[in-house]
Formats: sequence, C-alpha cells, structure tokens
Amino acid sequence: NAGVTQTPKFRVLKTGQSMTLLCAQDMNHEYMYWYRQDPGMGLRLIHYSVGEGTTAKGEVPDGYNVSRLKKQNFLLGLESAAPSQTSVYFCASSYIQGRFSGANVLTFGAGSRLTVL
Amino acid sequence: DQQVKQNSPSLSVQEGRISILNCDYTNSMFDYFLWYKKYPAEGPTFLISISSIKDKNEDGRFTVFLNKSAKHLSLHIVPSQPGDSAVYFCAASEGSGGGADGLTFGKGTHLIIQP
Repeated sequence: NAGVTQTPKFRVLKTGQSMTLLCAQDMNHEYMYWYRQDPGMGLRLIHYSVGEGTTAKGEVPDGYNVSRLKKQNFLLGLESAAPSQTSVYFCASSYIQGRFSGANVLTFGAGSRLTVL
Repeated sequence: DQQVKQNSPSLSVQEGRISILNCDYTNSMFDYFLWYKKYPAEGPTFLISISSIKDKNEDGRFTVFLNKSAKHLSLHIVPSQPGDSAVYFCAASEGSGGGADGLTFGKGTHLIIQP
C-alpha cells in the first residue's frame, strides 16, 4: 500500500504563478486534509473534505482553493502564489467508523516543499 | 489564539532515561488527544492517542497521561532510544464534528536523545 502520495515533492514558483498540488490516497478514506507547516508554527489546517464533492475551510484558507472530484484525490491550488505561501504542505486522510468510535487518526503524506520567490 | 500549546521547543534526554513531553490545551470541547512523531523530510506518523474520558493510555514504551482539570497531557517514553530523536506534535480533535473537521496541532517539541 502506498498510503498517501503527494506530488510534486519540491517546487519553486515565482510570485503570481499558479500551481496545483496533488494528493492521492489508496486506503478508501472518506476524509482528506491539507495542512501547511512553517518554522515555529506547527501544522495548520488549510482546507479539508469529508467526502467526494465536498470541501470546507480550515484555519488558514486564504489564497488556496481545493477540489475533491474523486474520493481518492484531493487537489490544493494556488491561483496567484505569494512569498507568504512558501511552506511545506502535508496532505492527510482518515476514516472514522462512527461519531463516538475513537480518535480521528490522520495518515500523512511525505510533504511537498514549495518556495515562492 | 493557540488552543494546543507545547511550550518546550526542544528537549535533550540521555539514552535509556525517561523522556517527558508536555502539552497544554485551552478548548474544553476537545474529546481526543493524539501524539505524532515526525522525522526530517517525512510526514508525521501517529504514535498514541487518549480519549478525554481516560487519564492514561499505554502502548509499549509510550504512555500518555491526561489531566483534564489542568487541561494538560504528557507523553512519557521509557526507555528513550536514539531512534526516538524527532519532533513530537501534540494534537486534539473536537467532538462537535465527530472529529472529521481535522486535528488542531501544537507547535512541536524537538526531542534529542543523547548517547
């Protein structure tokens, strides 16, 4: 099992350029998430999806858009990249059996390092 | 305002000794707490969790303690091994969405195990 796969692993952009990060999971998980990690800031939630065709905003959604057209894929888009979006981006997925059945254990990908010049 | 706080950016412990990583939280609606471990250039991996109705959960060398009245939890690693050197994140989920709306993470503590 590959688990959660993120592409690309590295990317350098110029300010104003656009790009899309792809996340794919092969665990048939219902829920998917995009986080960003910045030095000294921990992981912050950008957007998430609780099922195919649904998306919702997280803590830091501005400047990003997402789409979940297929259950296994969750795309994160930057329409006009800014230096403040230089970060490491992590995708995660999870499955909750029921509302009171346990912790929401997220499985993470290896990360995508984005630099915006 | 940070809802999950890890106030120690780094911690150095001798191999074989106990490592204790601390985490405080402010949101009384959190119903599950999790610890993740992260190596450089890799994604975080799940270590252990605890429900808010428990005060202790143990898995091998890892034990998490929860003090709900103090809104404090800690991760104990005994004995500490060189492979434990990593960044540890404390995370929490709120029950209102069944937890599906993601985890709230602390800033992390870099644990260094000295030989």
